[in-house]
Amino acid sequence: GAVVSQHPSRVICKSGTSVKIECRSLDFQATTMFWYRQFPKQSLMLMATSNEGSKATYEQGVEKDKFLINHASLTLSTLTVTSAHPEDSSFYICSARTTTHTDTQYFGPGTRLTVL
Amino acid sequence: QKEVEQDPGPLSVPEGAIVSLNCTYSNSAFQYFMWYRQYSRKGPELLMYTYSSGNKEDGRFTAQVDKSSKYISLFIRDSQPSDSATYLCAMMNNQGGKLIFGQGTELSVKP
Repeated sequence: GAVVSQHPSRVICKSGTSVKIECRSLDFQATTMFWYRQFPKQSLMLMATSNEGSKATYEQGVEKDKFLINHASLTLSTLTVTSAHPEDSSFYICSARTTTHTDTQYFGPGTRLTVL
Repeated sequence: QKEVEQDPGPLSVPEGAIVSLNCTYSNSAFQYFMWYRQYSRKGPELLMYTYSSGNKEDGRFTAQVDKSSKYISLFIRDSQPSDSATYLCAMMNNQGGKLIFGQGTELSVKP
């Protein structure tokens, strides 16, 4: 149990285009999902907290107009990188929070974004 | 000072060794403690979860939490090359929600 999927796993796009990443909790409902960014050899950096049916809460320094988050259902959250630039190239990971038996987060496999 | 401190390593051990990974923290409000394993280019995988102080064992893995010292540990017995990965400690307070991560320790188990 506690499986989280992400799609796509890898995407290459041209500068100026938008990219959407999906995060799904496959076997549990998640009222809260989180989006992280990870640079090589570094730990995870929280970008935003996504609550089902409400606006996402962004961490300081994260541009909410650039990183659009939608949490339309209890099993799906999406991150859209708008007008992507090469500096947006990174590894993006989502997680879904469960409070059924524990209070913790399960992570998706990550999406590697390369902006040319 | 970071809320969670973790030695980034790298740590290299021979196969079969006992591995000890540690994190210290400064926020006494933390109540939930987790260890994640992350292979290269993959998402973190939950290994161990502990609420409050104490020990927890799962197969070759043992997690310890000492809240009085603000210190948590993960022990790996009979380490295997497949254990080679980055290990991240993470914790959060009773409010739930945000996880605070350590920097991650890169472990290499040599055959």
